[in-house]
Amino acid sequence: GAVVSQHPSWVICKSGTSVKIECRSLDFQATTMFWYRQFPKQSLMLMATSNEGSKATYEQGVEKDKFLINHASLTLSTLTVTSAHPEDSSFYICSARITSGFQETQYFGPGTRLLVL
Amino acid sequence: QKEVEQNSGPLSVPEGAIASLNCTYSDRGSQSFFWYRQYSGKSPELIMFIYSNGDKEDGRFTAQLNKASQYVSLLIRDSQPSDSATYLCAFRGGGFKTIFGAGTRLFVKA
Repeated sequence: GAVVSQHPSWVICKSGTSVKIECRSLDFQATTMFWYRQFPKQSLMLMATSNEGSKATYEQGVEKDKFLINHASLTLSTLTVTSAHPEDSSFYICSARITSGFQETQYFGPGTRLLVL
Repeated sequence: QKEVEQNSGPLSVPEGAIASLNCTYSDRGSQSFFWYRQYSGKSPELIMFIYSNGDKEDGRFTAQLNKASQYVSLLIRDSQPSDSATYLCAFRGGGFKTIFGAGTRLFVKA
């Protein structure tokens, strides 16, 4: 399958700092990437859809000014958690959409675990 | 009604048995269906996708889709302890978003 990487895999930071997470598609171009958050023992929650060259589309209840998304190239999307607080501690996972004809699938990055102290 | 319904489990099967995971969805217009496996502490991994009614086999995995009844299932033959994970059912909804179920936890006992 297609390869998606995320960096960093682990982040520990102090409350009030900003954290940037990178998501890269390594062997394909992805015009659309998705950002998810997952709390322990809960399901994936879609935060936003990141489109190359345009503004991200945020899900209801997700603060766009707190979770800044930039999709500056066809292989890179970044999520910046601004002024992080302990309640932002979670597992952040990106995915990239790949299309082949009319078929379309998503491949996930390995995730970034964020702990805000 | 949730868009995707899965039994949270845990589903426990002995090693070598067939594990059967089921999922129902609400959007009749859905055309693409997926099964992902997620090990504890890891991100989801795509196992299978299916677009047409009927069965699709890949190794020990068989996905079954019944659009009329709005259900999709995953069969795992010859289950191994390494298959123990949470299995997420998903379908592609409107706006190119993939809608995920909460997942079914599977335990395969050695």
